[in-house]
Amino acid sequence: GENVEQHPSTLSVQEGDSAVIKCTYSDSASNYFPWYKQELGKRPQLIIDIRSNVGEKKDQRIAVTLNKTAKHFSLHITETQPEDSAVYFCAPRLVGGKSTFGDGTTLTVKP
Amino acid sequence: NAGVTQTPKFRVLKTGQSMTLLCAQDMNHEYMYWYRQDPGMGLRLIHYSVGEGTTAKGEVPDGYNVSRLKKQNFLLGLESAAPSQTSVYFCASSLERESNTDTQYFGPGTRLTVL
Repeated sequence: GENVEQHPSTLSVQEGDSAVIKCTYSDSASNYFPWYKQELGKRPQLIIDIRSNVGEKKDQRIAVTLNKTAKHFSLHITETQPEDSAVYFCAPRLVGGKSTFGDGTTLTVKP
Repeated sequence: NAGVTQTPKFRVLKTGQSMTLLCAQDMNHEYMYWYRQDPGMGLRLIHYSVGEGTTAKGEVPDGYNVSRLKKQNFLLGLESAAPSQTSVYFCASSLERESNTDTQYFGPGTRLTVL
């Protein structure tokens, strides 16, 4: 099965700083790369995703970059705000297949 | 649309008891999934279904059974609950019918405690 690793496991930044979370995967056939955000006590929700035919995607303060050769993709959050505090999960997979979730990164944004 | 719903929201069981968790989606999604989430960990796939009448094992299937008799429902059963099954259970669904339809939508979760 797919081996997925996320780094770092915890990240603390000052409000307004940038945050970067990296996800490494093992299955070279994976072609769909989403990031989910889970606030305390809530369900995971998709915040951004990318497919293997593009290298970068941006949505306002959030971006995802993909390096298929090195088998990793990263979540970038700029101008962080306290409401960005949450646990973030990557879940790479082959479209039509099953997802393997990373163990999560706890992001704390200090006001 | 209600999206993905789960019943019940909370449950306490004694070791050896059985129960069924119900997941329902009203988005006509093809795929449905059951995950468990333990404290400080990611989501681990228990079982999943790629269509009505089909099921497949995920990463941690032991001690669980599933059924998908109707497209909109996915049931997770625990035949003889064990304390190791204490967890939060999330159901999810995805369309998977054409490109760009593989986003997973999650239910609110069921918090299960086995004493």
